[in-house]
Amino acid sequence: GNSVTQMEGPVTLSEEAFLTINCTYTATGYPSLFWYVQYPGEGLQLLLKATKADDKGSNKGFEATYRKETTSFHLEKGSVQVSDSAVYFCALSDQDFGNEKLTFGTGTRLTIIP
Amino acid sequence: DAGVTQSPTHLIKTRGQQVTLRCSPKSGHDTVSWYQQALGQGPQFIFQYYEEEERQRGNFPDRFSGHQFPNYSSELNVNALLLGDSALYLCASSLAEGPGKAFFGQGTRLTVV
Repeated sequence: GNSVTQMEGPVTLSEEAFLTINCTYTATGYPSLFWYVQYPGEGLQLLLKATKADDKGSNKGFEATYRKETTSFHLEKGSVQVSDSAVYFCALSDQDFGNEKLTFGTGTRLTIIP
Repeated sequence: DAGVTQSPTHLIKTRGQQVTLRCSPKSGHDTVSWYQQALGQGPQFIFQYYEEEERQRGNFPDRFSGHQFPNYSSELNVNALLLGDSALYLCASSLAEGPGKAFFGQGTRLTVV
């Protein structure tokens, strides 16, 4: 079956540091890949997505590239801010349209220190 | 435009009881999915409803059931509650025929004592 493995947290960084959160996946076929973010007391928000190999998703300074050869979708940001503190989830879907069933990783808690 | 709304936000139930959680999808969305997020874990897919029928189901027992109404809103029912059912229950809505992008509600925090 499908699975997602995420870098375990928690991760603590200083403001303006470079961020990488690793994510690898196992899936049949060609899944779509997602990063979701969960701020304290809130639901999940889609951060970025990529639907095919070599696609790069980007949003709010975050980027992730779909690497089929290494089955990875690592999240990066060049300069983090205190407001980026949240839990980040990597996820995949093996369906193309809105009826996707998402498989999530366990999440990585990120704390940014001023 | 209201997003996905869930009610109630918090709930405390006793072991063995039954519970119903509710979800109103984002305007224009016709598909509702439910997820269970245990503390410190990622969300786990429970099931999905489209056109008032269960279309997909995850690895959850029959104690978990649902319903979708003609206005696309949905309910999640859990019978014979166990302590292990304590979790954040998330509802996500999407378009069945649109590009993949699920919108999530803030969730219902269920505590079973």
